[in-house]
Amino acid sequence: AQSVTQLDSQVPVFEEAPVELRCNYSSSVSVYLFWYVQYPNQGLQLLLKYLSGSTLVKGINGFEAEFNKSQTSFHLRKPSVHISDTAEYFCAVMRSSGSARQLTFGSGTQLTVLP
Amino acid sequence: GAGVSQSPSNKVTEKGKDVELRCDPISGHTALYWYRQSLGQGLEFLIYFQGNSAPDKSGLPSDRFSAERTGGSVSTLTIQRTQQEDSAVYLCASSLPGGSEQFFGPGTRLTVL
Repeated sequence: AQSVTQLDSQVPVFEEAPVELRCNYSSSVSVYLFWYVQYPNQGLQLLLKYLSGSTLVKGINGFEAEFNKSQTSFHLRKPSVHISDTAEYFCAVMRSSGSARQLTFGSGTQLTVLP
Repeated sequence: GAGVSQSPSNKVTEKGKDVELRCDPISGHTALYWYRQSLGQGLEFLIYFQGNSAPDKSGLPSDRFSAERTGGSVSTLTIQRTQQEDSAVYLCASSLPGGSEQFFGPGTRLTVL
């Protein structure tokens, strides 16, 4: 079984400041890692994913994340946030092999960008 | 280039009634997933369809929940004898065969009074 922990439920940050949203996972098998964003009253949108290769992954809207296997972490970063980045962010994992392809999500981090 | 669509967008029902929620996946996506998003439980997997294989029902919370996928496309999630704890947003997602990215619909907000 897999589990995902997002350590911060809420992160307030001022506009143009950097931000890091933390994610740790636990799994007995190899997994793929994802960050999704959910704007108010909308579905989930993929920000970025790690499947293999370079541990630094770049996504949409200027976000990036780094996979750290030894620390089982996949933290999301942005060097300078905008008001429009205010949303809920979900870290998720998926088994990289086998027939079970469902996502296991963390509890989410509400990012609020203040003017 | 239509995305995943779900209907209705909102559903209010009385405790004990049955409800049906519909999902139209992206054309060509053979994998279809249902998730539930609620305040107390976060985002939970419910059921997964892949082509003609038997669905993975391991996330369904009780036997009041069932889902079908007709013709390998549209899916219906049915909740019988609804309870107040069933109130949540039900999200549908689809993906290409063997694909890692799941594309999500806007969800159906279910309120059980």
